[in-house]
Amino acid sequence: QVQLVQSGAEVKKPGASVKVSCKASGYTVTGYYMHWVRQAPGQGLEWMGWINPNNGGTNYAQKFQDRVTMTRDTSISTAYMELSRLKSDDTAVYYCARESAGPRAFDIWGQGTMVTVSS
Amino acid sequence: DIQMTQSPSSLSASVGDRVTITCRASQSISSYLNWYQQKPGKAPKLLIYTASSLQSGVPSRFSGSGSGTDFTLTISSLQPEDFATYYCQQSYSTLGLTFGGGTKVEIK
Repeated sequence: QVQLVQSGAEVKKPGASVKVSCKASGYTVTGYYMHWVRQAPGQGLEWMGWINPNNGGTNYAQKFQDRVTMTRDTSISTAYMELSRLKSDDTAVYYCARESAGPRAFDIWGQGTMVTVSS
Repeated sequence: DIQMTQSPSSLSASVGDRVTITCRASQSISSYLNWYQQKPGKAPKLLIYTASSLQSGVPSRFSGSGSGTDFTLTISSLQPEDFATYYCQQSYSTLGLTFGGGTKVEIK
């Protein structure tokens, strides 16, 4: 079945970087944009950006422009999101989500990866 | 960025009630509005896309309407499995997508 499976929870110190993976299965990964969305504990959803797995093109939310890098490895149907210079308020669950259905609507989501930033 | 404002932020309702959640955009977004349901500890689930199109597999008691700046999600007869938090999301701005703050639907 169509699914996205993310890497496991991470604990990082302030100033470090984290790289979260998202492996797609059940569909052709190059056919759909992949987005990343995060959710701080008890808070709402925050969009971070997208990657076009077909050509590697990216678009990042202005808030994360200088700290986020989204990449992909089509040979293993996996997308990555790396966030650098971590701060305590980056503590959140990070989701990958496939864009399908309507434009920029997310029909398939990963299970989420908890990233905790603490000294 | 386009700001999305949901109301109410929470509501209490009983099984069988008709529930309406509103989402307002800070500028016109045509029909580029999606709705999601999220249960505790789970990823969001797409319910409605482009304002009124029902996602495959979603029960028909869910419906969406609106265009421009004002949108509505309606649950015609609330079921026990519908107690969750609901988010709207604008997909008009290709460079900056934004979500509403969420509406938590609780059991009365």
